[in-house]
Amino acid sequence: AQTVTQSQPEMSVQEAETVTLSCTYDTSESDYYLFWYKQPPSRQMILVIRQEAYKQQNATENRFSVNFQKAAKSFSLKISDSQLGDAAMYFCVLDSNYQLIWGAGTKLIIKP
Amino acid sequence: DGGITQSPKYLFRKEGQNVTLSCEQNLNHDAMYWYRQDPGQGLRLIYYSQIVNDFQKGDIAEGYSVSREKKESFPLTVTSAQKNPTAFYLCAVFGDLGNTIYFGEGSWLTVV
Repeated sequence: AQTVTQSQPEMSVQEAETVTLSCTYDTSESDYYLFWYKQPPSRQMILVIRQEAYKQQNATENRFSVNFQKAAKSFSLKISDSQLGDAAMYFCVLDSNYQLIWGAGTKLIIKP
Repeated sequence: DGGITQSPKYLFRKEGQNVTLSCEQNLNHDAMYWYRQDPGQGLRLIYYSQIVNDFQKGDIAEGYSVSREKKESFPLTVTSAQKNPTAFYLCAVFGDLGNTIYFGEGSWLTVV
């Protein structure tokens, strides 16, 4: 069975600091994608970043970057220069063979 | 303007009543999903459909039913058999492997 595990139910960071959210996954597929989605209090789902499994280079989107360790099946999200607007639930998602597997989420709190 | 229309945003259900949530898309994608989200929790898959006239049960299908008579529409019925339906419901549309997942705005269902 394919699984996604987010071991941190809640994280907090001081504004302007850096925080890393953890995600591990398990799949037997060789071709898959990984996503981080953000869900603010409005409940709207917002794509943060995407990583193709066949690419060794880590994806980066402005202040957001990932550390993709394929052999270890690890996909962590680093948020640099944290801003108040980053406060949200963050979900790690595995896209494999048209199945979407969701982690339980990490609630990120930004301290002003 | 391509997207997903999910309605209603707020819905109240009386005991013993069936209610239907609508999800319509004009993205011309095949795969559509229904998720349930309880407070502070991640997404749990109710049903999904990868092609017209075919759908599959997700992890928590009991008490729910769906239909997929046309590509654009994937309505979800919450039946009276679902004993604890109060939750936030999200419809998602999914393109090819690795494509962006498109989400509706969600529906809040409350039992009164």
